[in-house]
Amino acid sequence: EIVMTQSPATLSVSPGERATLSCRASQSVGNNLAWYQQKRGQAPRLLIYGASTRDTGIPARFRGSGSGTEFTLTISSLQSEDFAVYYCQQYYNWPPLTFGGGTKVEIK
Amino acid sequence: EVQLVESGGGLVQPGRSLRLSCAVSGFTFDDYAMHWVRQGPGKGLEWVSGLTWNGGTIGYGESVKGRFTISRDKAKNSLYLQMNSLRVDDTALYFCARAMVRGVISPFDPWGQGTLVTVSS
Repeated sequence: EIVMTQSPATLSVSPGERATLSCRASQSVGNNLAWYQQKRGQAPRLLIYGASTRDTGIPARFRGSGSGTEFTLTISSLQSEDFAVYYCQQYYNWPPLTFGGGTKVEIK
Repeated sequence: EVQLVESGGGLVQPGRSLRLSCAVSGFTFDDYAMHWVRQGPGKGLEWVSGLTWNGGTIGYGESVKGRFTISRDKAKNSLYLQMNSLRVDDTALYFCARAMVRGVISPFDPWGQGTLVTVSS
């Protein structure tokens, strides 16, 4: 099983600032890495796939990067609607398809 | 419009069974892998089970292997999760999700809104 580890668990950021979220895989997943955003009381929403491709309608301030075992989600100039929990997921090898533990981006 | 609507959740005693359903519309159900993902109270996302477009490959998370069974019904455009020998730690919101790309394992998009399963005596 590929274990996905996200850091930090919580990130306190002021509106307008940049947020940098990390995701590490226990073995290489190539670029088969997705990022999801989940707001309270809602289903997760796909943001990024292929490690760096934004899904339809996702603003350009969301940028994914990395390959192999190290990945980053950068949110430039945080907006109020961006405060949420973010999960990474590998889809390189299954079963299982594994998620990271999540990073909560909260208002500082 | 693509829609996934889960149902079948509820309160159940430990050791009992429950069957979840996910009714889909707005796309060709046969073309896509489908998955169940759950989220315990205050916890993160946990992949539970998935199957390929033709059911040829089926997978389960370790915590549910041997107790849960995933299936799909083409005629009813529905995905199911049969949950047996339920435990208190199966309590969660269960989401149905579709693979983003036809025919291959890919990220999940879209997701349903979830159905709540509570296992308690």
